[in-house]
Amino acid sequence: IAGITQAPTSQILAAGRRMTLRCTQDMRHNAMYWYRQDLGLGLRLIHYSNTAGTTGKGEVPDGYSVSRANTDDFPLTLASAVPSQTSVYFCASSGDLNTGELFFGEGSRLTVL
Amino acid sequence: SQKIEQNSEALNIQEGKTATLTCNYTNYSPAYLQWYRQDPGRGPVFLLLIRENEKEKRKERLKVTFDTTLKQSLFHITASQPADSATYLCALNQAGTALIFGKGTTLSVSS
Repeated sequence: IAGITQAPTSQILAAGRRMTLRCTQDMRHNAMYWYRQDLGLGLRLIHYSNTAGTTGKGEVPDGYSVSRANTDDFPLTLASAVPSQTSVYFCASSGDLNTGELFFGEGSRLTVL
Repeated sequence: SQKIEQNSEALNIQEGKTATLTCNYTNYSPAYLQWYRQDPGRGPVFLLLIRENEKEKRKERLKVTFDTTLKQSLFHITASQPADSATYLCALNQAGTALIFGKGTTLSVSS
């Protein structure tokens, strides 16, 4: 059982480049999330999706976009990366938006130079 | 403004003692509160959920309390072990929103 798979695990990127972080889950969960984690700031929600075909903005959505074409995949795209987007990105899923635990991936460490 | 605060960044205790971590929140009315464990370089892992109508929840050596009047949750690890060393995150929700996380408390248990 894989749970949540994120790719890449680590990436160094030049500023201005486009980057897509991939997230796939095999639990058939409706809700999926993207968080970024920065030292001293904790986990902050970027975007979320309650179900396939819908997305919503979290606390820090600027510079990021997401899509949810199907239940399993929830990619996060940085259209034009900036150094302030250097962070560890975590994808998570939940069986229910209003209750229940989050299942997290192992993270994607992104460095923008 | 809305805040969720874990009021210790770091907590150091000796093996065998009880670790108590605190999570306070303001301007939220959460239906439930959760605690997660995060090891270095790994994603957070769910530990416990406590609902607004529950005062206390236990799981093995873990105990969580939830006081909606004080707007506070306490997370206890009894008989702590070096393997309990990790960062512990509290998280809460409001109806219809995703989980909001505190910044975490890093627990170090020395033998």
